[in-house]
Amino acid sequence: DIQMTQSPSALSASVGDRVTITCRASESIAYSRLAWYQQKPGKAPRLLIHDASTLESGVPLRFSGSGSGTEFTLTISGLQPDDFATYYCQCYHINKAFGQGTKVEIK
Amino acid sequence: EVQLVESGGDLVQPGGSLRLSCATSGFTFSDVWMSWVRQAPGKGLEWVANIRQDGGLKGYLASVEGRFTISRDNAKKSVFLQMNSLRAEDTAVYYCATDLPNGYFLSWGQGTLVTVSS
Repeated sequence: DIQMTQSPSALSASVGDRVTITCRASESIAYSRLAWYQQKPGKAPRLLIHDASTLESGVPLRFSGSGSGTEFTLTISGLQPDDFATYYCQCYHINKAFGQGTKVEIK
Repeated sequence: EVQLVESGGDLVQPGGSLRLSCATSGFTFSDVWMSWVRQAPGKGLEWVANIRQDGGLKGYLASVEGRFTISRDNAKKSVFLQMNSLRAEDTAVYYCATDLPNGYFLSWGQGTLVTVSS
């Protein structure tokens, strides 16, 4: 099974900052079957991006995804107060596995 | 509006059983795969099980295979998770989610808490 590793586990950033989160797979993910989710405390996750770079409807354009093979990134261009949350990547090729999460905190 | 509402979570002793339900509305239930995803307290997300539109194909996390059974009732637009031989490590919030297309999770319920403890 494919295993996913996110880095960093946590980061501190200020409003307006550009933030990048990396997700690495233990083996190549075919067809870029990689999704990103945002989760706030006590809430269900929210799908942001699927197929590595396709923005889900209603998700602000400051969120973007890129990558292929074993390395993928989520970028938030111009962090907003509503973006402080935990972010998870998830592969859906061969098996469904989540990364361990990246908590984005206010600096 | 798409809605998924889980129920059935409770405190149960190790070795016990529990049946979770997820009632849905706002989309064509019989057209989509459905999954259960769990989150232990303070931990990350973990996919548990999924089921094809017709119920004829199911997948499970290795650690729950043989103990958990996923099922669905398309007439009632509901998906279920029968959990037997529960262990402390099964303690988590359990979410149901649409699994599109047998891949990523688009819509989620609010979750139901299962606590396994003596």
